[in-house]
Amino acid sequence: AQSVTQLGSHVSVSEGALVLLRCNYSSSVPPYLFWYVQYPNQGLQLLLKYTTGATLVKGINGFEAEFKKSETSFHLTKPSAHMSDAAEYFCAVSEDTGGFKTIFGAGTRLFVKA
Amino acid sequence: DGGITQSPKYLFRKEGQNVTLSCEQNLNHDAMYWYRQDPGQGLRLIYYSQIVNDFQKGDIAEGYSVSREKKESFPLTVTSAQKNPTAFYLCASNTGESSPLHFGNGTRLTVT
Repeated sequence: AQSVTQLGSHVSVSEGALVLLRCNYSSSVPPYLFWYVQYPNQGLQLLLKYTTGATLVKGINGFEAEFKKSETSFHLTKPSAHMSDAAEYFCAVSEDTGGFKTIFGAGTRLFVKA
Repeated sequence: DGGITQSPKYLFRKEGQNVTLSCEQNLNHDAMYWYRQDPGQGLRLIYYSQIVNDFQKGDIAEGYSVSREKKESFPLTVTSAQKNPTAFYLCASNTGESSPLHFGNGTRLTVT
């Protein structure tokens, strides 16, 4: 059965600092992995996705994530945080279990300090 | 522009009443989903539908019902059997398989 664990429900960084949001997954088959962002009282927007191929995935707004099969991880990074990055971030996994379902982690709220 | 419309944005109901949340998409997507979001718990899957007239239970289907009579529409009914219905409800769609989800802006349901 698939599951997603996000380490740290809250992360706080200074503007200009590195952003690192951690995600580990479990899946019995090669997974499809996603990061989404949510701003207050809105739906989720796709940041990036990993399907197959290159392990370093680039997304929107300067974010990228690296798929590490040996560590079952898919951590999200951004070299330099901007105030507008403050939001909640969700890691998600999708696999074929007789129909595709997407399962989400609990989310990490990112705070950016001026 | 194509997208997903959820209505209403805010909904208030008394305990014991059924309530239906609307979800309409004009993206021509085959698959549609309902998620429930509670603080600190992420999104939990309630129901999903991959084709018209067919749907499957997700992880927390008890107390909810859905229908999929048209490709564009996937309404969710929160019944009086749902023990803790106050939450933020999100509807999503995709082309199926492993494609990313497109989300509506959600409906915040408060039951008192």
